[in-house]
Amino acid sequence: EAGVTQSPTHLIKTRGQQATLRCSPISGHTSVYWYQQALGLGLQFLLWYDEGEERNRGNFPPRFSGRQFPNYSSELNVNALELEDSALYLCASTPTGTGYHEQYFGPGTRLTVT
Amino acid sequence: GDSVTQMEGPVTLSEEAFLTINCTYTATGYPSLFWYVQYPGEGLQLLLKATKADDKGSNKGFEATYRKETTSFHLEKGSVQVSDSAVYFCALSGLGGSQGNLIFGKGTKLSVKP
Repeated sequence: EAGVTQSPTHLIKTRGQQATLRCSPISGHTSVYWYQQALGLGLQFLLWYDEGEERNRGNFPPRFSGRQFPNYSSELNVNALELEDSALYLCASTPTGTGYHEQYFGPGTRLTVT
Repeated sequence: GDSVTQMEGPVTLSEEAFLTINCTYTATGYPSLFWYVQYPGEGLQLLLKATKADDKGSNKGFEATYRKETTSFHLEKGSVQVSDSAVYFCALSGLGGSQGNLIFGKGTKLSVKP
C-alpha cells in the first residue's frame, strides 16, 4: 500500500513569492493534515481538511491557506513568502476525521525562502 | 492549553545500552498518546501509541505506558542499536478546539555509537 506522498521534495522561492505544496493521502483516507517543522520551533499544526472542508486551523496568518480536492488530495499555498517560512512542511492523513487520532506522515517538502 | 514536554537532547548511548526518554503532558480530558520517530532526511513514522490510561504501546523493542496519575508516557528500550539513531517525538491528540491537531514535544535526538 502506498503511503502519503508529497511534492515537490524541495522548493526554493524568493521572499514575496507564492509557494504551492501538494499532498496525496493514503488510499481510503479522507482527512489530510498539514504541519510546519521549522528549525528551533518544533512541529506546529497548520491545517486539517476532511471531506473537502477545512475543519481546524493552527495559529498561522491567513497567507497560509489550502484546499482539499474531491480525490482527497490537498494543496497548501503560502502567499507573500517570508524568510521565516523556510521549513519542512509535513502532510499526514487518517481514514476519517473524527475519533481517529493516529496520523500517517509523508516525507515532507523542504521550502527554502531566500 | 494542551502541551507536551520531553527531555532535552541530544542523548548519546553506546550500542546495547538501556534507553529512557521522558515525556510528560498537560491536557484537559483523556487524549491518545504517541511516540513518533524521524530518521535523518525523512518524515515522521509512528512508533507506538496508547489510547487510554495504563495502556502499554510497544513496537520494535520500544515500549511506553500511559500513566494518568503522573501524566507521563516515557519511552524505553532495553538494548539500543546504531540503527535507532533518530529524533523521537512524543505527541498527544488534541481535543475540543484542538481536535485534529497532534501536539508535539520538541523532540529528542538520539545517537547510538557502536
